[in-house]
Amino acid sequence: AQKVTQAQTEISVVEKEDVTLDCVYETRDTTYYLFWYKQPPSGELVFLIRRNSFDEQNEISGRYSWNFQKSTSSFNFTITASQVVDSAVYFCALSEADDSGAGSYQLTFGKGTKLSVIP
Amino acid sequence: KAGVTQTPRYLIKTRGQQVTLSCSPISGHRSVSWYQQTPGQGLQFLFEYFSETQRNKGNFPGRFSGRQFSNSRSEMNVSTLELGDSALYLCASSLPLAGGQNEQFFGPGTRLTVL
Repeated sequence: AQKVTQAQTEISVVEKEDVTLDCVYETRDTTYYLFWYKQPPSGELVFLIRRNSFDEQNEISGRYSWNFQKSTSSFNFTITASQVVDSAVYFCALSEADDSGAGSYQLTFGKGTKLSVIP
Repeated sequence: KAGVTQTPRYLIKTRGQQVTLSCSPISGHRSVSWYQQTPGQGLQFLFEYFSETQRNKGNFPGRFSGRQFSNSRSEMNVSTLELGDSALYLCASSLPLAGGQNEQFFGPGTRLTVL
């Protein structure tokens, strides 16, 4: 069974500090997809990034960057120069490929990391 | 393009009652998934519908059911409500590509409180 672990329950940083959110996953499959979502206080989950298991290239998008390492089954997320608007709960999620090709799948989420950025 | 909409946004029910939640996916999205979010259990998958068929189901009792209509709108129903059913129920839609690779777009959720 697939599993996602986000060991950091809560993190507080001062504005402009860099912060890394950890994500470790477990899966039996060789083909899978990893996601990060942000949940602000309003409650709606906002998609941030998707990474497939065959692409270990790190990605940078503005102040956000992601480090995917299959050797350690980790998919960590770094926010550079954090801002108050980054305060939210961040979820890492895993989706395994559907062998039947029918496209049926489900996201397995970690418990989330609550990030508080203090001005 | 309108996002995923869920109605109602807030709901208060008493134990033993039943409830129906509604979800309208993004136009063109035919896959709709439902998740339950609680402080203790986090985000848990309930079920997924595609072309009016339930393709996948999480580990929830039979009191939780759902359906999807021909226009891809979906409803979920919880019968004989229990206090533990109090949660944020999130609906997500995605394009029907195979392989689990699609990002799911989430609605704002329905906050259900069972008294």
